[in-house]
Amino acid sequence: GESVGLHLPTLSVQEGDNSIINCAYSNSASDYFIWYKQESGKGPQFIIDIRSNMDKRQGQRVTVLLNKTVKHLSLQIAATQPGDSAVYFCAEKMAGTALIFGKGTTLSVSS
Amino acid sequence: ETGVTQSPTHLIKTRGQQVTLRCSSQSGHNTVSWYQQALGQGPQFIFQYYREEENGRGNFPPRFSGLQFPNYSSELNVNALELDDSALYLCASSSGGSANTGELFFGEGSRLTVL
Repeated sequence: GESVGLHLPTLSVQEGDNSIINCAYSNSASDYFIWYKQESGKGPQFIIDIRSNMDKRQGQRVTVLLNKTVKHLSLQIAATQPGDSAVYFCAEKMAGTALIFGKGTTLSVSS
Repeated sequence: ETGVTQSPTHLIKTRGQQVTLRCSSQSGHNTVSWYQQALGQGPQFIFQYYREEENGRGNFPPRFSGLQFPNYSSELNVNALELDDSALYLCASSSGGSANTGELFFGEGSRLTVL
């Protein structure tokens, strides 16, 4: 089965709120994690990544947190905008293996 | 703009037919990975090509095959199409084969419908 999954299939927020999307992974040997955003009819778009030697990484309006103790990954989006509405996937990898995706969380932002 | 281009964008086939999908990788990338994404699901790894050789394969039958060319572009071939092959087929390019842990750049995909 899949080694990466997301806690909630859907998340609905108001414009301007902060969004938190969660992901649990099962392979403790994974050492690289990526969050992708996929809009309808398009390919996945890279958002942010993090390596296992870090526990936090920040980008523009996004932050990824990695908790290796409980094998948990989260994506925080600050001041969520309608353009953030999409399906978000976490993915994990270790050297020598392919990138494994979870099922995705659909984020809906209402104004 | 990822630089990864795929063709065709949409196509319709009937059961038993064969299909070839094409991908041009981003400039400077020598690795191409193919994923199948069924409706409402996450992408599933099919296989990866690195320096013109298959460099890893997911749980897909042999009727899914591929090629990588000297310019690092790639083809995905599916023989004896089945209804369940209907999906979005995604190509992603990167560098260094599966040994490298780095970002994958995806194309927009080829939407295959099998009737």
